[in-house]
Amino acid sequence: SAVISQKPSRDICQRGTSLTIQCQVDSQVTMMFWYRQQPGQSLTLIATANQGSEATYESGFVIDKFPISRPNLTFSTLTVSNMSPEDSSIYLCSVEWSGNRPYEQYFGPGTRLTVT
Amino acid sequence: GQQVMQIPQYQHVQEGEDFTTYCNSSTTLSNIQWYKQRPGGHPVFLIQLVKSGEVKKQKRLTFQFGEAKKNSSLHITATQTTDVGTYFCAGLGRAGNNRKLIWGLGTSLAVNP
Repeated sequence: SAVISQKPSRDICQRGTSLTIQCQVDSQVTMMFWYRQQPGQSLTLIATANQGSEATYESGFVIDKFPISRPNLTFSTLTVSNMSPEDSSIYLCSVEWSGNRPYEQYFGPGTRLTVT
Repeated sequence: GQQVMQIPQYQHVQEGEDFTTYCNSSTTLSNIQWYKQRPGGHPVFLIQLVKSGEVKKQKRLTFQFGEAKKNSSLHITATQTTDVGTYFCAGLGRAGNNRKLIWGLGTSLAVNP
């Protein structure tokens, strides 16, 4: 399986600022996803990011708040804009392989964000 | 909307005891996946079940997909401390023209040595 890395691994930010989280994969993938996970909770899908098209956002998430870039098949960024303490969470990117292992998702290590 | 319920929410066992977590969907699923998340870690893919009634085994772990493709279970035989973590099921459903994973809330397993 591929190696998925995220930067930063953690950050503490002040309210009103923005943070951009990077997700890098060491091989080309079609589908990339961004999730949010509160400690002890399940995963909530923020958006699906496909290369060459606009990200598809889930209900409750909007592009102005969580702009996403997907410039190529190995990289994506998620920006958390105008942060408030409610944005404190773990943000995870995941990738899905095409071909003979469809729909299986593999996760990066996550970015732990604290907003003060 | 589509929901996947998972029970129990927590399970505390003695090492060597068996453990089972159950997943139930409100709608028929295309497939069901299971993930394990260790404390402080990220979800790790375990397995995918596609066929009605399918049963798969990974060493001490047995995964089942129901005949109606609406429920699934994960059974661990003779738990070990390395089994500690949260087990999530995720069903592949549909949202409009897109398919998406619908995640259960997870079952957190604690194992006493």
